[in-house]
Amino acid sequence: DQQVKQNSPSLSVQEGRISILNCDYTNSMFDYFLWYKKYPAEGPTFLISISSIKDKNEDGRFTVFLNKSAKHLSLHIVPSQPGDSAVYFCAASPSFRNQFYFGTGTSLTVIP
Amino acid sequence: GAGVSQSPRYKVAKRGQDVALRCDPISGHVSLFWYQQALGQGPEFLTYFQNEAQLDKSGLPSDRFFAERPEGSVSTLKIQRTQQEDSAVYLCASSLDETEQFFGPGTRLTVL
Repeated sequence: DQQVKQNSPSLSVQEGRISILNCDYTNSMFDYFLWYKKYPAEGPTFLISISSIKDKNEDGRFTVFLNKSAKHLSLHIVPSQPGDSAVYFCAASPSFRNQFYFGTGTSLTVIP
Repeated sequence: GAGVSQSPRYKVAKRGQDVALRCDPISGHVSLFWYQQALGQGPEFLTYFQNEAQLDKSGLPSDRFFAERPEGSVSTLKIQRTQQEDSAVYLCASSLDETEQFFGPGTRLTVL
């Protein structure tokens, strides 16, 4: 049973435009959420996180939005750059933090 | 390089063979996680260590899987009598404060 879902396996965006990656979760015990970026043959690298006490967190070109009532989070990248092309995973954790649940990933392609 | 390292990067095993996968976490990181990532899927939690204590092994798929971290640093994931369904990338991650996990590049296991 997939507790974290990324329903779009792929996304293509023109360079300079906004990329919006979506993630839904089912477990109301999740209170900490992360986005990871993964290049081929490498492990995931941490991008940005958000705790359930906030609804927005921003870091440079990356902003994560959390809608707790809808159990939905999204990652906005603006402006998108070709180097952002990678697979993006969202992950969620309950408060005890020893288990992180990952979505299946969205492959982002930024077209120059 | 002070990142998480894993060895070997690639392993081909014949069905029924035992394999051992090694993870060197970032020095000083208390928490260590193992994940299994099947093709086209997100990482799935296998087990979690805090120092040398294995606090959660609920994700290990069968009793053929065994993990240890005897001195609270290097960890080994052992798979006995490998089966074809064990073919996957095995990711190790370490964490200082459980809010961000740093992943290694993974070991790609192929069981023939």
